[in-house]
Amino acid sequence: ETGVTQTPRHLVMGMTNKKSLKCEQHLGHNAMYWYKQSAKKPLELMFVYSLEERVENNSVPSRFSPECPNSSHLFLHLHTLQPEDSALYLCASSQDRNPSYEQYFGPGTRLTVT
Amino acid sequence: TQLLEQSPQFLSIQEGENLTVYCNSSSVFSSLQWYRQEPGEGPVLLVTVVTGGEVKKLKRLTFQFGDARKDSSLHITAAQTGDTGLYLCAGAASNDYKLSFGAGTTVTVRA
Repeated sequence: ETGVTQTPRHLVMGMTNKKSLKCEQHLGHNAMYWYKQSAKKPLELMFVYSLEERVENNSVPSRFSPECPNSSHLFLHLHTLQPEDSALYLCASSQDRNPSYEQYFGPGTRLTVT
Repeated sequence: TQLLEQSPQFLSIQEGENLTVYCNSSSVFSSLQWYRQEPGEGPVLLVTVVTGGEVKKLKRLTFQFGDARKDSSLHITAAQTGDTGLYLCAGAASNDYKLSFGAGTTVTVRA
C-alpha cells in the first residue's frame, strides 16, 4: 500500500464510450502525475499537476483530458479512444514536482479499448 | 529527449545466483532512480543515486552510478524468488523537471 489508490483497476471500453479514471493520494503531496505504460516501452509521462495547476502536458492527444479538483484527487477523462490507447495507466504523487523527490505510484488501471 | 536504455530486456536465473542489470544513456543525469514493479502493482522506488561513482547497498542489492553520471547498474547477490519483477531505471537532467524512464528489465528468479 503506497498511499495512492486508483479506480477502477480494470476497464474495458468501446471507442465511442466516455469513461474516467480516478486517482487519490493520502500522502499530503503537492504534485500528481499520469503515466502510460505499454508493453516493452518506457513509462510515458502524460500530465503533471503541481498545487492543482497543470504544469506539463506531454503532447497528449485531446481525447485524454485531465482534471485536478484538489491536491488529493486526479482524474483522467477518456473519450473516443483508439485501440492503441490500451495500456496500464499509472497515477503517481510526490511531495514536489522536482524529480529528486520520490514518486509514489498507484497500482494502475488496466485499460482495454475495443 | 533523454533516452535510457536498459539491458538485458529479460533475465531468468536460478535462486541463489547473482545478476546485474544495466541502465545506459548518452545524457548526463543529476540523479538516477531504480524502481521495482511487481505484476498488478505500480513501481516502487528502491534507491536514488546522485553523485558520480556513488555506490549504495540495500541488503543484497548494490547500485552504482557511473563516474560521468550517464549510466548505472544494479547487482543482486544470491537472488531470491521474491526478487522477481520488472526493474526500471529513471533519471532527470539538472535542468529538467521530467523523469525519463527506461523500458525495464524483467527478472525472473526460479526456485
